[in-house]
Amino acid sequence: GESVGLHLPTLSVQEGDNSIINCAYSNSASDYFIWYKQESGKGPQFIIDIRSNMDKRQGQRVTVLLNKTVKHLSLQIAATQPGDSAVYFCAEIPLSGGYQKVTFGTGTKLQVIP
Amino acid sequence: DSGVTQTPKHLITATGQRVTLRCSPRSGDLSVYWYQQSLDQGLQFLIQYYNGEERAKGNILERFSAQQFPDLHSELNLSSLELGDSALYFCASSQGLGTHEQYFGPGTRLTVT
Repeated sequence: GESVGLHLPTLSVQEGDNSIINCAYSNSASDYFIWYKQESGKGPQFIIDIRSNMDKRQGQRVTVLLNKTVKHLSLQIAATQPGDSAVYFCAEIPLSGGYQKVTFGTGTKLQVIP
Repeated sequence: DSGVTQTPKHLITATGQRVTLRCSPRSGDLSVYWYQQSLDQGLQFLIQYYNGEERAKGNILERFSAQQFPDLHSELNLSSLELGDSALYFCASSQGLGTHEQYFGPGTRLTVT
């Protein structure tokens, strides 16, 4: 079936460097993509979303890039800080079926080295 | 603090039992979502309510049910519990119907023994 997956289960980054977290998706009919951050012992936290008619969207220190040609989504975090250490996962919402068909990736653990 | 509250924080119960998880959304939010997060399956969307009405249904088992009350708090009922139901259950809320920016509660950790 359709699935959302992540390339790297663990990413270690030096404090101050930029981080790039990747997500591959298989449903070319997906309409929305969302990135979540989940710190240990807490619920997921919405970071940023992007619609399928966009290639790039920027937030505060974060940028999401969408490459529909290769079905690839990435989250870039600028000047990574210790507080960015968490599990990051993506989600996709298909055009047909709406939110009830949302699927979540398994997550990438980001470790920030001070 | 997201503003979403969930009770209880932890719940330990036996197979075959029934439990009720409670969620209070952020002030002003009309949509409530329930999710299950387990180690082997990641985050799974269960069900969404908007202003008291069921709006979207995901991978929710027939043994599970939910409702949203007039004061907008929501309850998730899990019955005939099995060992595989052990997981973290999250509630999230959002302002509107199609709003993707959701605010998650701290979760309820359910352990079925």
